[in-house]
Amino acid sequence: GESVGLHLPTLSVQEGDNSIINCAYSNSASDYFIWYKQESGKGPQFIIDIRSNMDKRQGQRVTVLLNKTVKHLSLQIAATQPGDSAVYFCAAPGGGNKLTFGTGTQLKVEL
Amino acid sequence: DGGITQSPKYLFRKEGQNVTLSCEQNLNHDAMYWYRQDPGQGLRLIYYSQIVNDFQKGDIAEGYSVSREKKESFPLTVTSAQKNPTAFYLCASSIGGYEQFFGPGTRLTVL
Repeated sequence: GESVGLHLPTLSVQEGDNSIINCAYSNSASDYFIWYKQESGKGPQFIIDIRSNMDKRQGQRVTVLLNKTVKHLSLQIAATQPGDSAVYFCAAPGGGNKLTFGTGTQLKVEL
Repeated sequence: DGGITQSPKYLFRKEGQNVTLSCEQNLNHDAMYWYRQDPGQGLRLIYYSQIVNDFQKGDIAEGYSVSREKKESFPLTVTSAQKNPTAFYLCASSIGGYEQFFGPGTRLTVL
């Protein structure tokens, strides 16, 4: 099966700086990855996804990079804002239509 | 508006009591999921259902039960057999692919 892990439990950045949140996965056959954002006391929200036939995908202020060689993906947030403060999870297919989630990185934005 | 609703938002129960958490979706999604989240942890799968009248155990099903009598509804019962039920419970649904849409969650506290 798949296991997914995030590199840092907490990341602090200054407002306006770029944030980079990292994630590693174990199954080289995984073909799809999702990043979720979870604000305190709420359910996770979809941010962006990427398929394994891509190395990079961009959204609004977010970019996901996928390095299949080292089984690593990252979420980059440009010009981090206070509203970006949340826990960020990466997720990968866990067999069937299930997802396996990482433990999450708490992003703290300092003013 | 389409979405997933969970009720109640907060739930308190005494030890030894069963309690049922509600999850309803009007997205016409076939698959539904229940997750448990503990502080500082990722999401762990309790039960999932890919179609009406069918469901499968996830990674931590012991002490929980579910039913899927209607496409829109996937209630979770936390039984007295669950040794440590205090947690944040999240319901999700998907159209059959990997992307899952989450409800706002129910925080269960055992007194």
